[in-house]
Amino acid sequence: GNSVTQMEGPVTLSEEAFLTINCTYTATGYPSLFWYVQYPGEGLQLLLKATKADDKGSNKGFEATYRKETTSFHLEKGSVQVSDSAVYFCALRAYNTDKLIFGTGTRLQVFP
Amino acid sequence: DVKVTQSSRYLVKRTGEKVFLECVQDMDHENMFWYRQDPGLGLRLIYFSYDVKMKEKGDIPEGYSVSREKKERFSLILESASTNQTSMYLCASSSRGFATNEKLFFGSGTQLSVL
Repeated sequence: GNSVTQMEGPVTLSEEAFLTINCTYTATGYPSLFWYVQYPGEGLQLLLKATKADDKGSNKGFEATYRKETTSFHLEKGSVQVSDSAVYFCALRAYNTDKLIFGTGTRLQVFP
Repeated sequence: DVKVTQSSRYLVKRTGEKVFLECVQDMDHENMFWYRQDPGLGLRLIYFSYDVKMKEKGDIPEGYSVSREKKERFSLILESASTNQTSMYLCASSSRGFATNEKLFFGSGTQLSVL
């Protein structure tokens, strides 16, 4: 079946450090891939997405590249800020369905 | 500003009670979803609906039912609440086929505690 696996947290970084949160997926066909972010006390909101292989999604300094050969969609940011502290969810939408399947979430804590 | 509104932010109920969680969206979306969020388990889909009066089971429908009588409203019902249903419940909506902008819009969540 379709599934998403992401690294466990928490990830703890100092401000301006480089961030990588790993995400791999299992899916039939060609899924669309997403990163959602949940700030404290809020619902999830879309951070970035990629709909086909080799696409790069980017937003707010975050990037992720759809790698079909490694079935991965790792989230990266070159220099994190305290305001990036949140829970990050990797998700996929399998071909021909409107359902999203989410990973377990990775909490990021950034300290000054 | 587009919105998905969940009726309660915090809710405390007793074991055995019938519980209604309400969700309203103002974007004329066809799809609506109910997820529960638990530490270490992420988001798990309970039920979703593609249209008025239509519903489909998600991954963990046991102990839940839903109602979609109007396009903008999607209700989650716990027929007889149990302590293992203590969780954060998230409602979401999207256009059919993700045609317009390929994303889910989420509400802020309802933290339900069953005592």
